[in-house]
Amino acid sequence: AQSVAQPEDQVNVAEGNPLTVKCTYSVSGNPYLFWYVQYPNRGLQFLLKYITGDNLVKGSYGFEAEFNKSQTSFHLKKPSALVSDSALYFCAVSEGNTGFQKLVFGTGTRLLVSP
Amino acid sequence: NAGVTQTPKFQVLKTGQSMTLQCAQDMNHEYMSWYRQDPGMGLRLIHYSVGAGITDQGEVPNGYNVSRSTTEDFPLRLLSAAPSQTSVYFCASSQSSGGTYNEQFFGPGTRLTVL
Repeated sequence: AQSVAQPEDQVNVAEGNPLTVKCTYSVSGNPYLFWYVQYPNRGLQFLLKYITGDNLVKGSYGFEAEFNKSQTSFHLKKPSALVSDSALYFCAVSEGNTGFQKLVFGTGTRLLVSP
Repeated sequence: NAGVTQTPKFQVLKTGQSMTLQCAQDMNHEYMSWYRQDPGMGLRLIHYSVGAGITDQGEVPNGYNVSRSTTEDFPLRLLSAAPSQTSVYFCASSQSSGGTYNEQFFGPGTRLTVL
C-alpha cells in the first residue's frame, strides 16, 4: 500500500530565507506526487505535481519540488519565503493507475514564516 | 465559475441524528470525492464517484452513504451520527481526461461536531 511521511509537524523560517518542507513516500509502482496548500478555514489548493520527466518541478507562487527516486523523496522548496506563505502543506501520492486518482495524503506540515 | 461549493459550513449534531452534507461543482468534472480531515491524520478518502450513477468506497466508508444522480452534485449522508464522525469534511472534483494526472479542486469544507 502507498504511504506518505511528512516528518516535521512545523517548519519555522524567517521571511526572505529559503524554505524546505520534507516529504518521503512509499509506493509499489511508479509514484505520482503532489503538493497541496491549505490556508486557514479554506479547502486545499493545488501547488504542483510530478508525473514523469524532469526531477525539478515548478509550481504556483514560486514553489518548486525535487523528485528523488533513490531517496523516495519529494521535498517542497522556495528560494525566498514570504509571510503570506504561512499555511498547512500536504504531500500526497497516487500509484497512477488508470481511472480515479486515489490520493494518500501525509499528515501535513505547518509552515510559519516570521517577518 | 463558483468551483466546488459545500453546505453547510458548520453543523452540530446529536448522536444518532442523520444529515446530508451537500457538494456541488460547476466545472463539468466527472470525478468527485469526499474526504475527512482529522488532526494529525491528514485527509482520508471516504467515498468517490467516477460519473453519474457510479460510486465506490474509499479508505473510511463506514457510517456514510453517497449517491450521484447528476454530474454536478455529490451529497454525503450520515445515517446515524457518532462522536467519531466529528471532523472537517471536504468535497473535491477533478477532470477524468488524462488519466490520473489531474489536480483535484477542493471545496471550503464543512466542520461537523457530533455530541
